[in-house]
Amino acid sequence: DAEITQSPRHKITETGRQVTLACHQTWNHNNMFWYRQDLGHGLRLIHYSYGVHDTNKGEVSDGYSVSRSNTEDLPLTLESAASSQTSVYFCASSESRGTTYNEQFFGPGTRLTVL
Amino acid sequence: RKEVEQDPGPFNVPEGATVAFNCTYSNSASQSFFWYRQDCRKEPKLLMSVYSSGNEDGRFTAQLNRASQYISLLIRDSKLSDSATYLCVVNRGNYGGSQGNLIFGKGTKLSVKP
Repeated sequence: DAEITQSPRHKITETGRQVTLACHQTWNHNNMFWYRQDLGHGLRLIHYSYGVHDTNKGEVSDGYSVSRSNTEDLPLTLESAASSQTSVYFCASSESRGTTYNEQFFGPGTRLTVL
Repeated sequence: RKEVEQDPGPFNVPEGATVAFNCTYSNSASQSFFWYRQDCRKEPKLLMSVYSSGNEDGRFTAQLNRASQYISLLIRDSKLSDSATYLCVVNRGNYGGSQGNLIFGKGTKLSVKP
């Protein structure tokens, strides 16, 4: 069965370290997204990609970067982790079907703590 | 007006009750509408898409009112297993190629009690 996976599921790191969160999907979806979810804010879009070598900034992209070298993977990198980046991170993917009913499918999430 | 606005709840209802959630959205160019369900500490999962004519899936009924920019979800005969947070989701519309992007409401928490 097609799926979307994230690793690691839990990560504790120190301020200033570079951290990379992995996202891998076997749906063969062109669209991939990274969100963070914090209490009181709901899901906020960090970066997204509509295909290989395409990346775009979302509403909270500062301090994060992504690259898309193949269809299946969209790793999220925190260049220099800050305590404000402690959060739950979700990766999602969707088909390219124009503008309608492009529901997104989510990975299980990565819980990141920055000390 | 916030992009997607929901009553945060919590809604505490007994088993068997009917409960309704409402949601408003600000972008009149939005074309896709969904309800997602999120269990505690889990990922959001699609509950149902919302079609212009309204649609039903078992105990769940979704309605869309484009003129008022309003979406609703009705749950009949509530079960304990319905306890979760329900997210109202709208696509971003024709904003320069961001049509595939979704905007998530903060969610409405439902707790069904025995």
